[in-house]
Amino acid sequence: EDQVTQSPEALRLQEGESSSLNCSYTVSGLRGLFWYRQDPGKGPEFLFTLYSAGEEKEKERLKATLTKKESFLHITAPKPEDSATYLCAVQVWGGAQKLVFGQGTRLTINP
Amino acid sequence: SQTIHQWPATLVQPVGSPLSLECTVEGTSNPNLYWYRQAAGRGLQLLFYSVGIGQISSEVPQNLSASRPQDRQFILSSKKLLLSDSGFYLCAWNPETERGAFFGQGTRLTVV
Repeated sequence: EDQVTQSPEALRLQEGESSSLNCSYTVSGLRGLFWYRQDPGKGPEFLFTLYSAGEEKEKERLKATLTKKESFLHITAPKPEDSATYLCAVQVWGGAQKLVFGQGTRLTINP
Repeated sequence: SQTIHQWPATLVQPVGSPLSLECTVEGTSNPNLYWYRQAAGRGLQLLFYSVGIGQISSEVPQNLSASRPQDRQFILSSKKLLLSDSGFYLCAWNPETERGAFFGQGTRLTVV
C-alpha cells in the first residue's frame, strides 16, 4: 500500500528562522512527488513537482528536494505570510493519476 | 484557461438529510475528476475518482456516492447524512501536467 508520512505535524518558527519539513513515502512506483500549500478554508495550491532522486526545485524562500525514500521542503528566512499547512502527495504509475497525501505540516511563523 | 468550480462553500445539514455537492470544470475535455475529504487538521483522503462519463471508482466504503452525468460535471451525494460525514470536501481534476491536480475551493460540511 502506498503511504506518505509528514513530520512534524506542527512547527512554530520565528520570522527569519530557517527549518525543514519532512515527507517520507513508500510507493510501488513513483511517478511524481508534489508539494502543496493550503491556507485555512481553501483548496491546496501547487508548489513543486519532483520526479527523481536528486532533483531540487526552488521558489522564493522554498526549496524542495527528493531522495528515494523522502522529500524535504526547506524554508529559508521565513516570513509570517509563509504560515500555512504544507501538504506532500505522491502519484504512482497507473491508477488514474491519483494522489496519496500525507497528513500535512501546519507551519506558523511568528513576527 | 482551465478553471474548477465547486459549490456551495459552506453547508450545515441535519443528520439524516440528503446531500448534493457539485463540481464543474471549464476549459478542458474528458478530465480525470476526484473527490477528496479532509478531516480537521488532517491530510486529504481520496473518496471517488472518475476517468469518464458514468465511470466511478470508490476508494473508501462509506455513506457517500458519486456520479458523473456530464463530461465536466462531478457530483457527490448522500441519501442520509451521518455526523461522521462532516468535513472539508474538495473536488479536483488532473490536467496531466506537472501540477498533479487542480483543486476547487472546497465545501465545509457540518452535519448537526
